[in-house]
Amino acid sequence: AQRVTQPEKLLSVFKGAPVELKCNYSYSGSPELFWYVQYSRQRLQLLLRHISRESIKGFTADLNKGETSFHLKKPFAQEEDSAMYYCALFNSGGSNYKLTFGKGTLLTVNP
Amino acid sequence: DVKVTQSSRYLVKRTGEKVFLECVQDMDHENMFWYRQDPGLGLRLIYFSYDVKMKEKGDIPEGYSVSREKKERFSLILESASTNQTSMYLCASSRRGVGYTFGSGTRLTVV
Repeated sequence: AQRVTQPEKLLSVFKGAPVELKCNYSYSGSPELFWYVQYSRQRLQLLLRHISRESIKGFTADLNKGETSFHLKKPFAQEEDSAMYYCALFNSGGSNYKLTFGKGTLLTVNP
Repeated sequence: DVKVTQSSRYLVKRTGEKVFLECVQDMDHENMFWYRQDPGLGLRLIYFSYDVKMKEKGDIPEGYSVSREKKERFSLILESASTNQTSMYLCASSRRGVGYTFGSGTRLTVV
C-alpha cells in the first residue's frame, strides 16, 4: 500500500532562515510526487511536481528514490510562505488515479 | 483556468438529516474526488469517480454515498448526518495523469 509520511505537524522558522519540510513515501511502483499548499482561507493548490523539476516561489523538491523522500526546501523563508503544506503521492501507472496525501505540515514564518 | 465549484461554503445541518454536497467542474475532466480534511489527519479520500456513473470507494466511505450522473457534476451524500461528519469537505477533479484542481471547500457542521 502506498503511504506518505510528513513527520512534522508544525514547523516554525524566522524570516530569512532556510526551511525544509520533510516528506517520505512508501510505494513499490514508479512514484509521482507533488507538493500542495493551502494559504489561509484559500483553496488547496498545486505548488510543484517532481517530474517538472521546477522552482516555484523559491521552493524546490528533489525526489530521492534511495531514501524514498521528497523534501521541500527554500533557502530564505518569507512571511507569505506561512501555510499548510501537503505532500502527495500519485500512482502514475495502471488505472489508479488517486492521490494519497500526507497529514500536512503547518509552516509559520515569523517576522 | 480550471474551475471546480462547490455549491456551499458553509453548511449547518441537524443530526439525522440527509445532506447533499455538490461539486461542478468546467474542464471536461474524467476524474472527480471527494476528500474530507481534518486537523492532524490531513486529507482522506471518501469516494472518487473516473467516469459518468462510475464510482469507487476511497479510504473512508462509511456513512457516505456519491452520485455522478453527468461528467461535470459529482455529488456527495450523507444519508443520515452525524456529528462525527463535521468537517471540511474538498472536491477535486483531474484529467488522467495530471495533478488535481481543488474546490474552495464546504465546511459542514452537524449539530
